[in-house]
Amino acid sequence: LAKTTQPISMDSYEGQEVNITCSHNNIATNDYITWYQQFPSQGPRFIIQGYKTKVTNEVASLFIPADRKSSTLSLPRVSLSDTAVYYCLVGDMLNQFYFGTGTSLTVIP
Amino acid sequence: EAQVTQNPRYLITVTGKKLTVTCSQNMNHEYMSWYRQDPGLGLRQIYYSMNVEVTDKGDVPEGYKVSRKEKRNFPLILESPSPNQTSLYFCASSLGLSSYEQYFGPGTRLTVT
Repeated sequence: LAKTTQPISMDSYEGQEVNITCSHNNIATNDYITWYQQFPSQGPRFIIQGYKTKVTNEVASLFIPADRKSSTLSLPRVSLSDTAVYYCLVGDMLNQFYFGTGTSLTVIP
Repeated sequence: EAQVTQNPRYLITVTGKKLTVTCSQNMNHEYMSWYRQDPGLGLRQIYYSMNVEVTDKGDVPEGYKVSRKEKRNFPLILESPSPNQTSLYFCASSLGLSSYEQYFGPGTRLTVT
């Protein structure tokens, strides 16, 4: 089961782009990389998922280098409502998931 | 509305008194899972189920039981709760092997005294 390492916390000003990097050195061939967002006292919410290169949706972009040992979640022009904890997950085909402690993002006015 | 529901949302109980936290999803998802969340430890997986009658241990299964008799329900059972099981519990579901997008319930805050 591949585990992940993320920064514990980050601060950003409103309107800036935020990049959160996750390290997953033991990622397996069949693993996908998934990011979740969690607000206090709520369950996590799916943001984006990818296998390699770049994935973009209406909320974020996910960049995955060729070796797949890391990934970067990019949030464009963050607002105060983006203040949350962000989790990077690497899932194997057994569907066992390791969330870790995530990255606490604080957006400053 | 597609959702995962949990009951109860809040529970205070005493050591050793058996309890069950229910989880139900209306999305016909094959995969369901239970997590606990504790300050400084993040979310940790307790048990998961790939389909009916198929369950497996996650990272922290000790002191918990689960069952999956129906596709929509995945109850979490604490046979003899202890104070170290005081936590915030989340149930989640997903389509299964074809999708890693999990839908989470609202959470159950359990206090064991």
